[in-house]
Amino acid sequence: GAVVSQHPSWVICKSGTSVKIECRSLDFQATTMFWYRQFPKQSLMLMATSNEGSKATYEQGVEKDKFLINHASLTLSTLTVTSAHPEDSSFYICSARGGSGSGELFFGEGSRLTVL
Amino acid sequence: AQKITQTQPGMFVQEKEAVTLDCTYDTSDQSYGLFWYKQPSSGEMIFLIYQGSYDEQNATEGRYSLNFQKARKSANLVISASQLGDSAMYFCAMREGWSGGSNYKLTFGKGTLLTVNP
Repeated sequence: GAVVSQHPSWVICKSGTSVKIECRSLDFQATTMFWYRQFPKQSLMLMATSNEGSKATYEQGVEKDKFLINHASLTLSTLTVTSAHPEDSSFYICSARGGSGSGELFFGEGSRLTVL
Repeated sequence: AQKITQTQPGMFVQEKEAVTLDCTYDTSDQSYGLFWYKQPSSGEMIFLIYQGSYDEQNATEGRYSLNFQKARKSANLVISASQLGDSAMYFCAMREGWSGGSNYKLTFGKGTLLTVNP
């Protein structure tokens, strides 16, 4: 199946710094990518839909200025957590739509962010 | 109202036995898709099986089968011959609308933690 790669897998940063997470589709072009957030032992919550060449669409309650999303090419979307605080610590996982008719989403490996 | 409901926070099963993980959904769309994903402790989301709302046959993928009961709005996952490696979190998810549409998202349930005992 299609491969989506996410980097970094783990990141620890100090409060107030910004962190960038990359999501790449390795063997297919993804015009749309999705960013999810998952707290421990909880479900995945959609944060935003990233569209190549246009602005991301954010879900209600997600701060656009804190979670900057850029989808500059058909194979790369980035999520930047700006001025990170401890409450931003979470598991962030991206996904990209595959080419099959099911609209199946292929997920990256996830990035675990810890803000000290 | 929750769109995806998984009522079993945790399930236990003996190795080599079958187990059913429950999932009910709520949508007013006629066209939708139902997915099951497995999430081991490593965190990656592994696609298991898909059922389209218009599919007449229940989906099967190896040891996984989806018991689709449209009138009851349920899409239970059946794992046959459980293996120790099946121990993981399992999420049911739904895509509302046509699969070819440009605006769709997956809504996930809260998950079921499956433990396979030797």
